[in-house]
Amino acid sequence: EIVLTQSPGTLSLSPGQRATLSCRASQSVSSSYFAWYQQKPGQAPRLLIYGASSRATGIPDRFSGSGSETDCTLTISRLEPEDSAVYYCQQYGRPPVTFGGGTKVEIK
Amino acid sequence: QVQLVQSGADVKKPGSSVKISCKASGGTFSNYAINWLRQAPGQGLQWIGDITPNFGIANYAQMFQGTITITADASTGTAYMELRSLRSEDTAVYYCARELSVHYPAFDVWGQGTLVTVSS
Repeated sequence: EIVLTQSPGTLSLSPGQRATLSCRASQSVSSSYFAWYQQKPGQAPRLLIYGASSRATGIPDRFSGSGSETDCTLTISRLEPEDSAVYYCQQYGRPPVTFGGGTKVEIK
Repeated sequence: QVQLVQSGADVKKPGSSVKISCKASGGTFSNYAINWLRQAPGQGLQWIGDITPNFGIANYAQMFQGTITITADASTGTAYMELRSLRSEDTAVYYCARELSVHYPAFDVWGQGTLVTVSS
């Protein structure tokens, strides 16, 4: 199965700063088959980005994604306090579906 | 807007089984694949399997083959996941989630999660 490695493990930034989260796949995956989720404590994950770069319904435009066959990136252009969460990348191009280990974003 | 509502938390003995339900309300159920995932305490997300209610065909992650059964009742808009031969390592929050579309099978609607605790 495809292993997704996310970096960094933790990101500590101030409100208004830009956050860049990376995800690398152990094998080639079409860039169309990456997604990103946000999860806050005690809540289910929330879909942010699918198809590597398409925002899900209701997601603010400060969230953006990009990808290649083996890498994808989530960018939060201007951090807000409510963006404090764990972010997971996912690939659904090659079964089984797999997730990265997560990046924790802390807002100072 | 469809919502997925899962059954409540459960405590089970090692070696027993648990069956969790996931009911869709407020929208179409049968045309979308329903996936099951789990998250052990403090850990990441693990895909368990999926089913498309209209067809009733389930797919399972290899590590769960033989111990899990996913079913769906399209008439009631409910999916079920049964996990057998429970071990302490199966303690986790279990989620159901709907695929966005056939072309983009990311998970856009999630249940609230069901905590299953396996303990003697």
